[in-house]
Amino acid sequence: KNQVEQSPQSLIILEGKNCTLQCNYTVSPFSNLRWYKQDTGRGPVSLTIMTFSENTKSNGRYTATLDADTKQSSLHITASQLSDSASYICVVSAGEYGNKLVFGAGTILRVKS
Amino acid sequence: ETGVTQTPRHLVMGMTNKKSLKCEQHLGHNAMYWYKQSAKKPLELMFVYSLEERVENNSVPSRFSPECPNSSHLFLHLHTLQPEDSALYLCASSQEGVPLQYNEQFFGPGTRLTVL
Repeated sequence: KNQVEQSPQSLIILEGKNCTLQCNYTVSPFSNLRWYKQDTGRGPVSLTIMTFSENTKSNGRYTATLDADTKQSSLHITASQLSDSASYICVVSAGEYGNKLVFGAGTILRVKS
Repeated sequence: ETGVTQTPRHLVMGMTNKKSLKCEQHLGHNAMYWYKQSAKKPLELMFVYSLEERVENNSVPSRFSPECPNSSHLFLHLHTLQPEDSALYLCASSQEGVPLQYNEQFFGPGTRLTVL
């Protein structure tokens, strides 16, 4: 069964600190993996996308990693800001054409001052 | 802004009401989607339209009825809903037929639906 598991479910950190969110998946055939950020009251917005051959991708203070052998991904946030408070959703594309999306339940991050 | 708009943003309705959710995409995409997002659960895909034809219906109850009059507009007609249907309903669009790394779904802000 295609599944995406995210941990932790929620996280509170102080402004300026770093944090790492985890994503484990059992999706086959794997096509690509995206991390989305969803602010409260808004739809998800893509942060990064990684294909099978990529093992790291950065977008500003966000760095995503992918280990296709262990089927794990992480999203590292550096020097967190209050605006990083959001839900972070790991989404794995399955199928030959990558058009079957499998969503994780998300990690809710709260950055406190 | 992602180029996908949804109205209304908030909706409260009784179980006997009929209402419709509207989605419009300004990205020139050829596929549109309806998702249901409940607290602490993954997004649930409800319907997929590709080139204005419904290509997927994930066992959604008939009290939800989608309509796609053209490639830019998508509606979700609601009738005799249940309290457990209260959720955030997200619309998304994408361009089918492009390389995988560009096949991104762009989401609207959602409609927060409360069924009393």
